Amino acid sequence: AQKVTQAQTEISVVEKEDVTLDCVYETRDTTYYLFWYKQPPSGELVFLIRRNSFDEQNEISGRYSWNFQKSTSSFNFTITASQVVDSAVYFCALSENSGNTPLVFGKGTRLSVIA
Amino acid sequence: NAGVTQTPKFQVLKTGQSMTLQCAQDMNHEYMSWYRQDPGMGLRLIHYSVGAGITDQGEVPNGYNVSRSTTEDFPLRLLSAAPSQTSVYFCASRPGGSIHTEAFFGQGTRLTVV
Repeated sequence: AQKVTQAQTEISVVEKEDVTLDCVYETRDTTYYLFWYKQPPSGELVFLIRRNSFDEQNEISGRYSWNFQKSTSSFNFTITASQVVDSAVYFCALSENSGNTPLVFGKGTRLSVIA
Repeated sequence: NAGVTQTPKFQVLKTGQSMTLQCAQDMNHEYMSWYRQDPGMGLRLIHYSVGAGITDQGEVPNGYNVSRSTTEDFPLRLLSAAPSQTSVYFCASRPGGSIHTEAFFGQGTRLTVV
């Protein structure tokens, strides 16, 4: 069965610090997809990134970067030079290729960036 | 392009009442899902559908019914509301099949059962 673990429940950092949000997943499929979503205080779910299991290249988008390591079943998310607007709950999610199951989410990490 | 539309945005129910949360998408997506979000619990899957006429249970299906008579609509019915169903409910859709894009979410429905 698929499972996503976000061990960090809450993180608090001072503005301009770098912060890494951890995501560990479990799946029996060899083909699968990983996602990160952001949920700001307004409540909507904002899609950040999708990565398939065959693409282990790290990705950078502005101050955001993602480190995918199949050897440790991790898909970690780093925010560089954090800003107050980064304060949100961040969710990691997994979708297996086989079967028709929807995305499975971790419990989320609440990030607070303090000015 | 409206995407995924949920109604209502807020609802207060009394214990024992029934109601339907509406979800509609205009992207011709095959897959639709309902999640509930509770503090510290993340998003938990209630029911999902891989196409019109096909539904299946997720992680927390008890107390909820769904049906999928059209591709566009996927309503969630609370049969007899309980305080434990106080939560924020999200509907999501995806293209389905071999297309593994992200899920598109509605704005959520905040439900309080008193």
